[in-house]
Amino acid sequence: KNEVEQSPQNLTAQEGEFITINCSYSVGISALHWLQQHPGGGIVSLFMLSSGKKKHGRLIATINIQEKHSSLHITASHPRDSAVYICAVPNAGGTSYGKLTFGQGTILTVHP
Amino acid sequence: DAGVTQSPTHLIKTRGQQVTLRCSPISGHKSVSWYQQVLGQGPQFIFQYYEKEERGRGNFPDRFSARQFPNYSSELNVNALLLGDSALYLCASSGIPLNEKLFFGSGTQLSVL
Repeated sequence: KNEVEQSPQNLTAQEGEFITINCSYSVGISALHWLQQHPGGGIVSLFMLSSGKKKHGRLIATINIQEKHSSLHITASHPRDSAVYICAVPNAGGTSYGKLTFGQGTILTVHP
Repeated sequence: DAGVTQSPTHLIKTRGQQVTLRCSPISGHKSVSWYQQVLGQGPQFIFQYYEKEERGRGNFPDRFSARQFPNYSSELNVNALLLGDSALYLCASSGIPLNEKLFFGSGTQLSVL
């Protein structure tokens, strides 16, 4: 079992739909990152959260530390939201200090 | 302020050669981490440096090495290149490791022929 698992792996939506991407992790963490990667490689950090909920524009991220689960929501999705969304958790222990373990990513395609 | 800058953007090498990749963090950031992303896969952690010291190392062979300079910029060196080293190499910076938002560079695309 991977330390960080995302679902779904692929997601297709129509413009305007509400999107939810889930992330479950098995390692202890101090914070969880949600990242967006567009074709061509550039990665943008969307959120870093350690508790509760954060909102930025149409994006909302929530985390439940007890259940080791986080969700990324996109309201009123738009074709420009099409990208790979990745959750990542840091590992503070041992020789892996600073290591980010990444989920496998969710490929989101939003059709007009 | 400039974001995280990486150079070069693209690089072509042959097997057995050595390569040096460079990363300049956002001004004021003291933490730099390196990741390898093979096409179609998620990034894999290589190194993390904070305050010029190595603070974390991923499961990569000793052919991979890095350092951080007094101005907090960083270099990643890979010796004896293999075909499997072909990947996008990403650098990320933050003020403090683990507990701050990360800022990624655009990456260096390395092709080993």
